Amino acid sequence: EIVLTQSPGTLSLSPGESATLSCRASQSINNYHLAWYQQKPGQAPRLLIFGASSRTTAFPDRFSGGGSGTDFTLTISRLEPEDFAVYYCQHSGTSPLYTFGQGTKLQIK
Amino acid sequence: EVQLLDSGGGLVQPGGSLRLSCAASGFTFTTYAMNWVRQAPGEGLEWVSGISGSGDDTAYAESVKGRLTISRDNSKNTVYLQMSSLRADDTAVYYCARGSGTFLTTSRVLDVWGRGTLVTVSS
Repeated sequence: EIVLTQSPGTLSLSPGESATLSCRASQSINNYHLAWYQQKPGQAPRLLIFGASSRTTAFPDRFSGGGSGTDFTLTISRLEPEDFAVYYCQHSGTSPLYTFGQGTKLQIK
Repeated sequence: EVQLLDSGGGLVQPGGSLRLSCAASGFTFTTYAMNWVRQAPGEGLEWVSGISGSGDDTAYAESVKGRLTISRDNSKNTVYLQMSSLRADDTAVYYCARGSGTFLTTSRVLDVWGRGTLVTVSS
C-alpha cells in the first residue's frame, strides 16, 4: 500500500502570497494516479487537480500541480481569502482503491 | 445539475446496524462507479468502499471488510452502504462520491461528492 505524506501540516500565509504544498509517496507512482482536493469547513471535498497537473474547470489558473515519481506539489499563487482551506493529495491504486494524505491546512496569517 | 444526495446517518449503538443511501441525479448513473469515503471528526479522508457501474465489482478497505456492504440499484439511481457490527471508530461523516470511470480500476479520481451524512456510534 502506498502511503502519502503531506507537508507542512499547517501553513500560515497572508492573502497575496504564494503557497507550496508537498505530497510525498512512499514509492514511485504514475502521475496519472495523483490528484488533489480542496475541503472547506463543513463542506465536502472538491476535486482540484487530476493527473498530477491537470486543473479542473472549477478552479482558476492560480492553482497548479506538478511533480513526478515520489514528490508532488500543489502551488497556489496570489492567495485569495477563499483559498484558505485544507488540501489533500490522493493516489488511486488497487488495494485500497484510493489513498489520501493526511492533509495540509492552509490558514490566514 | 450533477448531484449526489446522501442520507441515512444517525446515532446507533455499538454492534448495531445502519443503511446509508445516496441518490444521484444529473448524469447517466450506470456509466459511473460509486464510492463511499468517510471522515472521522477532526480527521482526514478514508476511502471505505466502491462499486462498479454495473454493480458486478465491489471493493472494500481492510478496516470495514465483512462489516460493510455496498450495493446499487441502477433503476433508482441510488447506491447504498449497509453497515453492521458498528464500532465507535466507525463514527464519521460518510460521503458518497462518484468515480471518474465505469470500472473501479479506471476511476482514478472522485469527481463529484455528496454533502455527507453523519454516523455516530455510541451507547
